[in-house]
Amino acid sequence: SQQGEEDPQALSIQEGENATMNCSYKTSINNLQWYRQNSGRGLVHLILIRSNEREKHSGRLRVTLDTSKKSSSLLITASRAADTASYFCATDQAGTALIFGKGTTLSVSS
Amino acid sequence: ETGVTQTPRHLVMGMTNKKSLKCEQHLGHNAMYWYKQSAKKPLELMFVYNFKEQTENNSVPSRFSPECPNSSHLFLHLHTLQPEDSALYLCASSQDPGITDTQYFGPGTRLTVL
Repeated sequence: SQQGEEDPQALSIQEGENATMNCSYKTSINNLQWYRQNSGRGLVHLILIRSNEREKHSGRLRVTLDTSKKSSSLLITASRAADTASYFCATDQAGTALIFGKGTTLSVSS
Repeated sequence: ETGVTQTPRHLVMGMTNKKSLKCEQHLGHNAMYWYKQSAKKPLELMFVYNFKEQTENNSVPSRFSPECPNSSHLFLHLHTLQPEDSALYLCASSQDPGITDTQYFGPGTRLTVL
């Protein structure tokens, strides 16, 4: 399959801790996007990083991209209970559509 | 809210029923998408419409029939579904049909096929 793969599948942390999720993909890309999904809801776009960028920030989010390793990471700093959700990476590997991974389920307990 | 609405939010149907899912976007976007999300599986792209024209049909069974009457509305007509079709069906839109564009998702329709 061509989809990105997130790692870990599930992550449980305490409020205030940092959460790191990784995404690996298989072929060259133009950009990589991270989305968030609350239980039973639609996905919400978080951040887009282009293939010529190495790092990008948005509030408490930090995304890195290593095209040589075909991987990306999403760091959420000082996590909150409201960050509990599933996080997906999506890439344009297929050439015609975004390909989503299976996601990382993050649980932040207070 | 993302500007993309879906109705109904929940649907239970028998295998012989015919029903339709509706999606509407209020963002002035040109591209719309249907995705299927099943438990423990990646999000599956079903159909893509650009400027009302279908540009992608990802080997979806004919029991799923999309309709895009204009750039703001997208339907998914369902008939003679199977229990394995039970899933969350998500609609999305993007400004341009380009694959690099950010997609905006609706809340989804939770479909249960009995």
